[in-house]
Amino acid sequence: EVQLVQSGAEVKKPGESLKISCKVSGYTFTHYWIGWVRQMPGKGLEWMGIIYPGDSDTRYSPSFQGQVTISVDESINTAYLQWSSLKASDAAMYFCARESESDYHFDYWGQGTPVTVSS
Amino acid sequence: QSVLTQPPSVSGAPGQRVTISCTGSSSNIGANYAVHWYQQFPGTAPKLLISITNNRPSGVPDRFSGSKSGTSASLAITGLQAEDEADYYCQSYDSSLSASVFGGGTKLTVL
Repeated sequence: EVQLVQSGAEVKKPGESLKISCKVSGYTFTHYWIGWVRQMPGKGLEWMGIIYPGDSDTRYSPSFQGQVTISVDESINTAYLQWSSLKASDAAMYFCARESESDYHFDYWGQGTPVTVSS
Repeated sequence: QSVLTQPPSVSGAPGQRVTISCTGSSSNIGANYAVHWYQQFPGTAPKLLISITNNRPSGVPDRFSGSKSGTSASLAITGLQAEDEADYYCQSYDSSLSASVFGGGTKLTVL
């Protein structure tokens, strides 16, 4: 059974760093792209970026390029999303999702990690 | 402002048919990139509803169907049920952004 299990809720202050995780199981980690999606409170889904664990090839949406870093640790089947300096506007729910082999859609999703950023 | 435009809300009575539109441009839907649809209930992760314009994953009722024409796509729901009340999002790839994009989302209310 394909599963993506994300790390728990985070409460941080502006300026702090953060790294959230997405551990996958039930398939070969290195064979599928993993993406990250932001959902701000009461708002829609935003495609942030995607990484291919097989070679760490990473693509970012222009809106998120330079704002976050996506990475993987192949040894533990885990993808990461990180910030070096959080802003209040980074407060949101973040989902990881597996991209299907065909045509850029996400077929399995993590449960989401809520991030609160407040002084 | 989303690259893909959806109506903020649609509604229908039980048993009726509703459609949700997703309007793009020549760099995404019009460039023949596939359109996918997701369903999201409050407080939960999105779920793939329709992939590659009109393919339903296992478990998705055939009351849900998708179509595409030109720079637009549509999700149709027939035999509307109370359990269909949710948010719906379209997604496609955009060649000018070199990234996938989502529509702004549509809230479906079952009257």
